Amino acid sequence: KNQVEQSPQSLIILEGKNCTLQCNYTVSPFSNLRWYKQDTGRGPVSLTIMTFSENTKSNRRYTATLDADTKQSSLHITASQLSDSASYICVVRSNTGTASKLTFGTGTRLQVTL
Amino acid sequence: EAQVTQNPRYLITVTGKKLTVTCSQNMNHEYMSWYRQDPGLGLRQIYYSMNVEVTDKGDVPEGYKVSRKEKRNFPLILESPSPNQTSLYFCASRQGGTGGYTFGSGTRLTVV
Repeated sequence: KNQVEQSPQSLIILEGKNCTLQCNYTVSPFSNLRWYKQDTGRGPVSLTIMTFSENTKSNRRYTATLDADTKQSSLHITASQLSDSASYICVVRSNTGTASKLTFGTGTRLQVTL
Repeated sequence: EAQVTQNPRYLITVTGKKLTVTCSQNMNHEYMSWYRQDPGLGLRQIYYSMNVEVTDKGDVPEGYKVSRKEKRNFPLILESPSPNQTSLYFCASRQGGTGGYTFGSGTRLTVV
């Protein structure tokens, strides 16, 4: 069964600090992995996409990594800001023929405080 | 502005009273999908559509209907809502291939 597990479930950090969110998946066959940011009461917004051949990708203060061998991804947030407070969702896509399937993690809720 | 628009944002209804949640996208995307989000669970797919007049069940389709008569619209219909359909619903669209989803802002539905 395809699964995506994220850790920690929740995290509180001080503004300006760094943090790393983890995503482990058992999705096969793997197509790509995306990290989404979901602000409270809003729809998820894509931050990065990682394909099989990519190890690291950065988007402003967000850096995603992918280890396809161990089926792990991480999202590192540098110099956190209050606006980073949100849920971060890891989503893995698998392709089987003409169909594709997304498996969503339950998310990590990040709170950045003063 | 490229967006997915859902209406209403909030809805409280009674068991058994039919309702429709509308979804419209202005990006000419082929693929549209409905998800529900419940505490402690990841987003779960209800129905999806790969193009006009082409719809298929997702993981949790029971109690829901959809239609895709036009490319831009993908309404979600609850013929006889029940309390277990109380949830946060998201409509999303994407272009074909490996494009990422654009999500709507969500509809918080409460069935009493």
